[in-house]
Amino acid sequence: QVQLVESGGDLVKPGGSLRLSCAASGFTFSDFYMSWIRQAPGKGLEWVSYIASGSTSKDYADSVKGRFTISRDSAKNSLYLQMNSLTADDTAIYYCARGRLSEGGFDSWGQGTLVTVSS
Amino acid sequence: QSVLTQPPSVSAAPGQKVTISCSGSSSNIGNNYVSWYQQLPGAAPKLLIYDSNKRPSGIPDRFSGSKSGTSATLGITGLQTGDEADYYCATWDSSLSAGVFGGGTKLTVL
Repeated sequence: QVQLVESGGDLVKPGGSLRLSCAASGFTFSDFYMSWIRQAPGKGLEWVSYIASGSTSKDYADSVKGRFTISRDSAKNSLYLQMNSLTADDTAIYYCARGRLSEGGFDSWGQGTLVTVSS
Repeated sequence: QSVLTQPPSVSAAPGQKVTISCSGSSSNIGNNYVSWYQQLPGAAPKLLIYDSNKRPSGIPDRFSGSKSGTSATLGITGLQTGDEADYYCATWDSSLSAGVFGGGTKLTVL
């Protein structure tokens, strides 16, 4: 069965950096678009970024553009999100998900990893 | 302020039907597929509807999706107490070149 397991969430100071990972199993990782979605405490879902199956295309929400970088390693069946220049507004649960909004939607989600940005 | 507009809350009695609307524009819903997600308390979201009106395997036919112009609708029939959750619509916005979610709708089954 499809499984996505995020890790790397932590408490970090404003201006700091963090790298999130998402380990995928149960499907051919290299065949699928992957995405990151976040949810601030008590708030709704916010799309963060996507990466195409062959890393041929990527895109980011304006709120993270220039600060976050999405990447993937098909040899390790893993998705990553490098987050720099973090602010309190980045505090959220970060979910990795399989798929893309333009077709098929996000059909599998991880359990999420909590990022807290605070001094 | 979300790009897609959903009612903050809806409610109905067990066994009844409810619809949740999602309003957008030509750059998002008007020209792209819509997906719907259910988020139970404390859980990760779950895909209910994709490509505007398709159900993934395992999703009961009590859940349905439709799209007309720049709006989409999620319908749930035969409401159960277990359907109490937050529901989100989402799509791609071609002008923003970004994914967009609605603000979410909290369903209460009275």
